[in-house]
Amino acid sequence: KAGVTQTPRYLIKTRGQQVTLSCSPISGHRSVSWYQQTPGQGLQFLFEYFSETQRNKGNFPGRFSGRQFSNSRSEMNVSTLELGDSALYLCASSFGDTSSGNTIYFGEGSWLTVV
Amino acid sequence: GDSVTQMEGPVTLSEEACLTINCTYTATGYPSLFWYVQYPGEGLQLLLKATKADDKGSNKGFEATYRKETTSFHLEKGSVQVSDSAVYFCALSHQGAQKLVFGQGTRLTINP
Repeated sequence: KAGVTQTPRYLIKTRGQQVTLSCSPISGHRSVSWYQQTPGQGLQFLFEYFSETQRNKGNFPGRFSGRQFSNSRSEMNVSTLELGDSALYLCASSFGDTSSGNTIYFGEGSWLTVV
Repeated sequence: GDSVTQMEGPVTLSEEACLTINCTYTATGYPSLFWYVQYPGEGLQLLLKATKADDKGSNKGFEATYRKETTSFHLEKGSVQVSDSAVYFCALSHQGAQKLVFGQGTRLTINP
């Protein structure tokens, strides 16, 4: 079965622009979460959506936002890009239920470079 | 808040050597524990997991045991291969939450 799919894989943006990244979860998964990976800060949780509702949020400024559609696909948006937003953005999906050890699967990521 | 600490890298070993990557955590309650692996240019792949104390996760020759008393989840492999070269991340999550808290990652290089 298809894994978590992210598009685009690579993109370059200019400071001040905005960017939208897309994620298609594994079929049947209702939870989608986003992470930012940088060499300095490592892997940091951005937010999680379940059934079109944001269920959890990390410590990122309001320039980072997301949404989830009725088919569980998700997008994240970063407005007014800064050089420090250059990172690998990873999307992850899971069934989203409350059982312990609910396995979270990751996509290959979207590499964003801000110049 | 929750946190995960991994041994500093990078780690360089020869093929067939024994591997241990230390991981300790700070968390309330009884989190689930995970090891993820990231190969160059790729996303994260789940390597193994354990959901309660004394559980042992295993996959592809790797093992890790959930030790509540020492709040540890060390990754071990008896004989590493060149193909094991990657970055390894220890992580935790709480029941009912889809948020993973990661360690800083340990880069492993295996030389032939």
